[in-house]
Amino acid sequence: SYLLTQPPSVSVAPGTTATIPCGGNNIGANSVHWYQQMPGQAPLLVVYDDDDRPSGIPERFSGSNSGNTATLTITRVEAGDEADYYCQVWDSRSDHWVFGGGTKLTVL
Amino acid sequence: EVQLLESGGGLVQPGGSLRLSCAASGFTFSSSAMSWVRQAPGKGLEWVATITGSGGSTSYADSVKGRFTISRDNSKNTLYLQMTSLRAEDTAVYYCGKDDGYSDSSGPVTSWVDYWGQGTLVTVSS
Repeated sequence: SYLLTQPPSVSVAPGTTATIPCGGNNIGANSVHWYQQMPGQAPLLVVYDDDDRPSGIPERFSGSNSGNTATLTITRVEAGDEADYYCQVWDSRSDHWVFGGGTKLTVL
Repeated sequence: EVQLLESGGGLVQPGGSLRLSCAASGFTFSSSAMSWVRQAPGKGLEWVATITGSGGSTSYADSVKGRFTISRDNSKNTLYLQMTSLRAEDTAVYYCGKDDGYSDSSGPVTSWVDYWGQGTLVTVSS
């Protein structure tokens, strides 16, 4: 089955840029979606189809996808961005959704 | 405003059954595929099952196939998850989600959850 790999944690200072990678075999051939989950809350879609943002999501959130790595980038990081972030793809071979293991973003 | 409200969670013994419901509003329910995603305590997200808008096609994670059944009643705008032969490892918060996505001439290309419910906790324990 298809696997997505994320680092367990990423730490950045406020005002800097956070990059959260999501690795997968030839993931660039898939569309990748990203979710933010605050403690005790339901996930929230922040980026879909590699690099599109739902309405209401700040422009500070962006995505890219090429080769074996997709990346969620958060510029001008704020304390309120501290959360778990998950990548997700639809695997056409199995007709299954696959989630990465999640990355905890800590704002120092 | 899209709203998804799950119910039916609770404590159940191993081997037991439970049916979750998800009441939907704020969108054309019958036009949207829907999914269940779960999250074990302290763990990440795990896709459980998906059903098309008409209910004519379903797909399941290997971990629940043959034990769980996803269904929907479009006249009631409600999504269901019937869970049987429950195991301790099924303990999780279960979220229902409204799907979005697109297809091309070759078929489905991708899909994602654009709206999530708040979740309902299922605990499997004796």
